[in-house]
Amino acid sequence: EAGVAQSPRYKIIEKRQSVAFWCNPISGHATLYWYQQILGQGPKLLIQFQNNGVVDDSQLPKDRFSAERLKGVDSTLKIQPAKLEDSAVYLCASSRTTRTGSYYSPLHFGNGTRLTVT
Amino acid sequence: DAKTTQPTSMDCAEGRAANLPCNHSTISGNEYVYWYRQIHSQGPQYIIHGLKNNETNEMASLIITEDRKSSTLILPHATLRDTAVYYCIVYVNTDKLIFGTGTRLQVFP
Repeated sequence: EAGVAQSPRYKIIEKRQSVAFWCNPISGHATLYWYQQILGQGPKLLIQFQNNGVVDDSQLPKDRFSAERLKGVDSTLKIQPAKLEDSAVYLCASSRTTRTGSYYSPLHFGNGTRLTVT
Repeated sequence: DAKTTQPTSMDCAEGRAANLPCNHSTISGNEYVYWYRQIHSQGPQYIIHGLKNNETNEMASLIITEDRKSSTLILPHATLRDTAVYYCIVYVNTDKLIFGTGTRLQVFP
């Protein structure tokens, strides 16, 4: 099966500019996630969608970050305006579902977008 | 907060078995242990999961202690391409996949 596709692969912007990232999950996967990974750290969940509804966005800085999942398939993550501390790799992941009993479906990750804010 | 403890780094000679330990003392009876790895410049990759019994797939083996408070991921014949950060994860009181800092495995020739 085709993997999770993300674009662009790299992006360099100046602070206060805006930027958008795109994600196409694996076909048929109901759950989509956006993670932020700062250099040297593990990925941190920003937002989770189930189909086209938001399940968890508690870690999303909503004053500057927004995300949507149109028609329950593709998703975009936007930052406006960007700050220096937003420099990170933004990872998109998808899974068939979230949980069945105590079993959680494995997540499949894309290779991310590396954002540099100058 | 990550609910697991892993060594920060480990080395392994190519062709030898890599044994990566993980402590998860707060795990409850029905929670699975999951392992992911992240190769440089790539997204994390799911490896294996287990509940009580030992598990094996084409990538690795997972050994879980009888009390389930710790586990070991085994790469039976490590190659240079296995150099990565390995994350041991349990979903304790959360539906989120939360990454800790993992173990940085360096496989050397």
